[in-house]
Amino acid sequence: GAGVSQTPSNKVTEKGKYVELRCDPISGHTALYWYRQSLGQGPEFLIYFQGTGAADDSGLPNDRFFAVRPEGSVSTLKIQRTERGDSAVYLCASFPRAKGRGYGYTFGSGTRLTVV
Amino acid sequence: QKEVEQDPGPLSVPEGAIVSLNCTYSNSAFQYFMWYRQYSRKGPELLMYTYSSGNKEDGRFTAQVDKSSKYISLFIRDSQPSDSATYLCAIPSGYSTLTFGKGTMLLVSP
Repeated sequence: GAGVSQTPSNKVTEKGKYVELRCDPISGHTALYWYRQSLGQGPEFLIYFQGTGAADDSGLPNDRFFAVRPEGSVSTLKIQRTERGDSAVYLCASFPRAKGRGYGYTFGSGTRLTVV
Repeated sequence: QKEVEQDPGPLSVPEGAIVSLNCTYSNSAFQYFMWYRQYSRKGPELLMYTYSSGNKEDGRFTAQVDKSSKYISLFIRDSQPSDSATYLCAIPSGYSTLTFGKGTMLLVSP
């Protein structure tokens, strides 16, 4: 596609439920990132994929968070036993390079998650 | 001390004003500095990046880095209502990851 697509755009869930957030990167982009942006804050890094593998998952806050990218394209961020503190906008970004430093990535519009 | 500090604003200016947005950072080893613009309910988009010290100009926008004081600035000349957005400074914190400031909300009134 022309840009990074994230679905759903909004998700309201009850505390304790499981949610999945989907990211469709720009076609051909090998690097994919997930960030989380809480109200009034800048985006915070969660996880980075190079191809199918997680190259850096040091930003995942705890083991309730997990992300996959099985075919090196679409990625899913999974959150188990959601808590109210998980409420935030979850941003996905992609970058074309297979290796080397890549910082000018393209972000999607995000999924706004609200845990009630 | 956080790696990147940024005043959240909001900063309100009239159309045509010169705007100065600023960040400070803590690690003197940082070499790349970036500015992102984020419109409401949208993802951030890369506006400018600079390497090391000095200025970089792109149209009405100028990015400036002062490594001696660990201070980065974004200047907007002849500001327009369409410039109303949140401006985020960002610094590479890993091989391919970014640390963002909190963002400064800018409001340009007609």
